[in-house]
Amino acid sequence: QKEVEQNSGPLSVPEGAIASLNCTYSDRVSQSFFWYRQYSGKSPELIMSIYSNGDKEDGRFTAQLNKASQYVSLLIRDSQPSDSATYLCAVRKVVNYGGATNKLIFGTGTLLAVQP
Amino acid sequence: EPEVTQTPSHQVTQMGQEVILRCVPISNHLYFYWYRQILGQKVEFLVSFYNNEISEKSEIFDDQFSVERPDGSNFTLKIRSTKLEDSAMYFCASSDGKGPKNIQYFGAGTRLSVL
Repeated sequence: QKEVEQNSGPLSVPEGAIASLNCTYSDRVSQSFFWYRQYSGKSPELIMSIYSNGDKEDGRFTAQLNKASQYVSLLIRDSQPSDSATYLCAVRKVVNYGGATNKLIFGTGTLLAVQP
Repeated sequence: EPEVTQTPSHQVTQMGQEVILRCVPISNHLYFYWYRQILGQKVEFLVSFYNNEISEKSEIFDDQFSVERPDGSNFTLKIRSTKLEDSAMYFCASSDGKGPKNIQYFGAGTRLSVL
């Protein structure tokens, strides 16, 4: 079982619609969750971080975390063609000795295509 | 806005040669990282570095790899004898803390092509 799983897509949505991206993780001790956006050939760029159950909103973006179900999602409202990119889910977890690792574990990413 | 700077943007080398990838982390950050991304695959953690020593490394980071902070600003990744399978994008990242809420900021990457 992969540690962080995402549907590779492509997820195609029309301009102005809501794009919903999902991510599941296998390790219950995961503590921090991040969504990065990656344009083709470019580096990951942080979009959202979330640490507690519930929703976190920032502009057109909303991250949702459900630790009981071990999933985290990203909603993009009023999707724009410039949002077309691969969205990477990343997880940081507590290590066995009770400390925290700084290592980010990435999913393979979901390719989002926003159609004008 | 402060950013992580990586040089060169593209490095081409022959198999068996040594390469050094360079990074200048954000100036007040204390934690530094290297990740790599093979074309079409996910971003993978290589190593983290704090207080002039490696704090964590992955299975990928074998004896062929080393990291160094040679001065107060640069952070380097050395691959001693490159293999074809080392061809990838290498990303440097930095963060200002180790707590669960600390954010890692990524540089633009160095594309390494091993021929």
